[in-house]
Amino acid sequence: AQSVTQPDIHITVSEGASLELRCNYSYGATPYLFWYVQSPGQGLQLLLKYFSGDTLVQGIKGFEAEFKRSQSSFNLRKPSVHWSDAAEYFCAVGETGGFKTIFGAGTRLFVKA
Amino acid sequence: ETGVTQTPRHLVMGMTNKKSLKCEQHLGHNAMYWYKQSAKKPLELMFVYSLEERVENNSVPSRFSPECPNSSHLFLHLHTLQPEDSALYLCASSQERENSNEQFFGPGTRLTVL
Repeated sequence: AQSVTQPDIHITVSEGASLELRCNYSYGATPYLFWYVQSPGQGLQLLLKYFSGDTLVQGIKGFEAEFKRSQSSFNLRKPSVHWSDAAEYFCAVGETGGFKTIFGAGTRLFVKA
Repeated sequence: ETGVTQTPRHLVMGMTNKKSLKCEQHLGHNAMYWYKQSAKKPLELMFVYSLEERVENNSVPSRFSPECPNSSHLFLHLHTLQPEDSALYLCASSQERENSNEQFFGPGTRLTVL
């Protein structure tokens, strides 16, 4: 069965420090992979996506993610975190040729000054 | 208006009330979704409409009734809800395409059932 695991419920980093949010997935075929961000009281906004090709994908707000098929991972990174990055981050796997998207439980990011 | 809009943003209702949530997308997409987001639980897909036909119905109780009158509008009709139905209800849209199901989300309706 398809599934997405985000092992960290919450993470705290200092402003200016680097960030890595972990995501592992289980999917039978080549997955469509997404990272979304949700600020309090808001809907989800797409940060980046991977469908095929280069395994390192760039997104908005200075985020990037790397697809590693051997590890079934799609970790999100940012070299220098800003206080405005504090939010909840969701990794997701999209169904190939279908409509179903499976979301992870989310990782809440706290940024300290 | 741009993107995906949802009204109302907040709703408080009693268990015997009937209310409706509205979603409108201004992106020219042909698929629309309802999700339920509860605290400490992953996002739950409730319904999917493609070209105004329901293509997914994930074992949602009948007290939730979706309606998609056209490709731009999606409703979720609510009746005799339970307190455990309190959650953030998110609408999303996408363009049906072979290699993508990237979804665009609205801001959500925060529902409280008393």
